[in-house]
Amino acid sequence: EAGVAQSPRYKIIEKRQSVAFWCNPISGHATLYWYQQILGQGPKLLIQFQNNGVVDDSQLPKDRFSAERLKGVDSTLKIQPAKLEDSAVYLCASRSTEKLFFGSGTQLSVL
Amino acid sequence: AQTVTQSQPEMSVQEAETVTLSCTYDTSENNYYLFWYKQPPSRQMILVIRQEAYKQQNATENRFSVNFQKAAKSFSLKISDSQLGDTAMYFCAFMMWGNTPLVFGKGTRLSVIA
Repeated sequence: EAGVAQSPRYKIIEKRQSVAFWCNPISGHATLYWYQQILGQGPKLLIQFQNNGVVDDSQLPKDRFSAERLKGVDSTLKIQPAKLEDSAVYLCASRSTEKLFFGSGTQLSVL
Repeated sequence: AQTVTQSQPEMSVQEAETVTLSCTYDTSENNYYLFWYKQPPSRQMILVIRQEAYKQQNATENRFSVNFQKAAKSFSLKISDSQLGDTAMYFCAFMMWGNTPLVFGKGTRLSVIA
């Protein structure tokens, strides 16, 4: 069974630039999560999708972050414009029953 | 809101020895799951072990076992016969029943020393 795929693996941008991350969940998994993991901390939920609908985006900084999950499969997370404090690993996960399966994440550095 | 606390930022253990990582959580819910995840430098989050709150029996997976104390809201992880490959960040996580997200602690960095 293929795992959760994420790209790119690394991204370096300057502040005020925009960036996008892509996630392809495990086939058949209806629930998809994006987490932000700042260095030295545990992952923090940004947004949860059920199929192509948003379940919880209460912790998503909507002035600069956006996410979509077209057709209920792949998902894209965008930051525009990026700030220095957005430097983190962005993890995508999909869910089967109570188990979450994570991708390898995208490490973002904002200079 | 649920919170998860890991009070040990770093720990180390000799190869083949046993180590216990601590975790406490706060919730008013009665039905939930608890997890330990391992995150090596590759950043991949790997599920180590999970516990259903309604089960009194502590979960075990090979060298990994938990001590689940529901009344005390404590969920510690014991790693027996530690191996060099166990070196990683370990995260304790909580999830309510239903379509809810994982809530993570801040993690414990474990180093296994040869």
